[in-house]
Amino acid sequence: DAGVIQSPRHEVTEMGQEVTLRCKPISGHDYLFWYRQTMMRGLELLIYFNNNVPIDDSGMPEDRFSAKMPNASFSTLKIQPSEPRDSAVYFCASSLGGRTPYEQYFGPGTRLTVT
Amino acid sequence: KNEVEQSPQNLTAQEGEFITINCSYSVGISALHWLQQHPGGGIVSLFMLSSGKKKHGRLIATINIQEKHSSLHITASHPRDSAVYICAVKKKSSGDKLTFGTGTRLAVRP
Repeated sequence: DAGVIQSPRHEVTEMGQEVTLRCKPISGHDYLFWYRQTMMRGLELLIYFNNNVPIDDSGMPEDRFSAKMPNASFSTLKIQPSEPRDSAVYFCASSLGGRTPYEQYFGPGTRLTVT
Repeated sequence: KNEVEQSPQNLTAQEGEFITINCSYSVGISALHWLQQHPGGGIVSLFMLSSGKKKHGRLIATINIQEKHSSLHITASHPRDSAVYICAVKKKSSGDKLTFGTGTRLAVRP
């Protein structure tokens, strides 16, 4: 398996522009997580899905952020409009859930710079 | 106070030394993860524990549920072990969310 795939790997955009980050989870995994990592705050969970349904979006910073999972093999995280404080590395992770906790597998991340 | 605390924050070791990184948490958990993040940024899951001890190569992870404490040990450390090691817990009250420690930055000198 290719692992969790994220695109783009790097994104540089100007303040006010829309940014869309993409994630393809590991085939067969039913949980998908979006994280953000900054120097100041470390790793933070933004939102996670189970079977394509958003379960907890309490970490989404504000209405400028939205996430979708239209099918089991694809998710997007959109920021509109982007701001310099959104600059961070965004990770997607997937896992196989159920009653027993399973490991999460992380994608390589998207490094977002908003100027 | 963070729910997940790691110590030390930074650690420098000589190649070959035995290394211990500690993680303490203050909440009820269903599992604890140890993650490794290399300078290039990628995150790899090393262990997931809910009790006892796990070993993989030169890495050993232990957890004491009663004391709410976990340790990650590296035997015969090597410069390629240089990375940030992150402890994360799955709280019983939070479903499948992970709560992260701030990480321990390890540098192993040759």
